[in-house]
Amino acid sequence: AQTVTQSQPEMSVQEAETVTLSCTYDTSESDYYLFWYKQPPSRQMILVIRQEAYKQQNATENRFSVNFQKAAKSFSLKISDSQLGDAAMYFCAYRTLFGNEKLTFGTGTRLTIIP
Amino acid sequence: EAGVVQSPRYKIIEKKQPVAFWCNPISGHNTLYWYRQNLGQGPELLIRYENEEAVDDSQLPKDRFSAERLKGVDSTLKIQPAELGDSAVYLCASSSPSLAVYGTQYFGPGTRLLVL
Repeated sequence: AQTVTQSQPEMSVQEAETVTLSCTYDTSESDYYLFWYKQPPSRQMILVIRQEAYKQQNATENRFSVNFQKAAKSFSLKISDSQLGDAAMYFCAYRTLFGNEKLTFGTGTRLTIIP
Repeated sequence: EAGVVQSPRYKIIEKKQPVAFWCNPISGHNTLYWYRQNLGQGPELLIRYENEEAVDDSQLPKDRFSAERLKGVDSTLKIQPAELGDSAVYLCASSSPSLAVYGTQYFGPGTRLLVL
């Protein structure tokens, strides 16, 4: 079974600075998807970024980018120019390419932005 | 495009009472998921629908939980009777078969259930 590990329960960063959230996963599959979701206090899970494992290029979405290291099974999220609105829980998630389509989530990292 | 809609947003009930949650997915999304998120944890899948067929309900506690998606669009998740341990956030998500976004799940705002 796949597992997702987020080893940083909490992180904080000064406004306008850069922060990196860590995620590792365990799988025996070669093709899969990885995601970062943001969950603010409203509790809605908002998609931040997605990565297909068969693509070597790291995904980017504006101020958000990932460092995908397939061999190391690592998928970190970098947030540049942090803003107060980035404060939230961040969840890393894994999904197989085919078959069982459920998302397997990590336990989350709570990100605090310091003004 | 409207997002995933869920209601109610909050529900407080006493144990042993029934409760139901409703979800309307994004238009055109044929796959619908119900997740449960306990405090301090990531969501865990309860059931997945492909159109009106429940294709993965292995994690659904069938003694007290039931779900339906009769016309392959909106869905209802029911708990009867509720237990204290059912207090959690219940999230609905949907996904599209479109290749452009294949594999991505879009979530609703969730229903926060408190069982007293």
